[in-house]
Amino acid sequence: DIQMTQSPSSLPASVGDRVTITCRASQGITNSLAWYQQKPGKAPKLLLYAASRLETGVPSRFSGSGSGTDYILTITSLQPEDFATYYCQQHYSSPLTFGGGTKVEIK
Amino acid sequence: EVQLLESGGDLVQPGGSLRLSCAASGFTFSLYAMSWVRQAPGKGLEWVSGISGSGVNTYYADSVKGRFTISRDKSRNTLYLQMNSLRAEDTATYYCAKDRSINFFGLFDPWGQGTLVTVSS
Repeated sequence: DIQMTQSPSSLPASVGDRVTITCRASQGITNSLAWYQQKPGKAPKLLLYAASRLETGVPSRFSGSGSGTDYILTITSLQPEDFATYYCQQHYSSPLTFGGGTKVEIK
Repeated sequence: EVQLLESGGDLVQPGGSLRLSCAASGFTFSLYAMSWVRQAPGKGLEWVSGISGSGVNTYYADSVKGRFTISRDKSRNTLYLQMNSLRAEDTATYYCAKDRSINFFGLFDPWGQGTLVTVSS
């Protein structure tokens, strides 16, 4: 199984900050990497897929990059509605696996 | 608008069984693979099982293989998860999620609101 390691697990930040979240796969996943946002009590929402492709309707302040085993989610100019938990997920092979999550919280 | 509505979550004793349902609307159900993803209280996401749009191909996490069965009913636009031999560690909110293609691809959008399964004596 492919293990997904996210860091940090917690990220204190302020409105307007640029934040980056890292996801590392235990083996190469050829950009088969998605990012989800989850707010308390809600279902996750797909933000990006194929490492860098923005889902329709997702603000352009979200972006993704990376290749091989290492991927990054960047949020430029953090907005109040962006405080949430973010998960990476590989869709390269079954079983599908998620990272442990990164909680972006108010500093 | 795509809508997914899970039901069937309950309190069940260890060793018991439960069947979850996910009623789908707003899209052609048979043209998309579907999955179940769970989240234990206060924990992260864990993919549980997936099924192709035709229902022919099914996929399971090792943690549930042999105990859970995924299926779908095209006539009812409904996805199911039959859960047997339940354990305390199966306690979680179970989400159903629509995949991106007819074949199992593993991109989940959207998700239902979830249904809570509690395994406890």
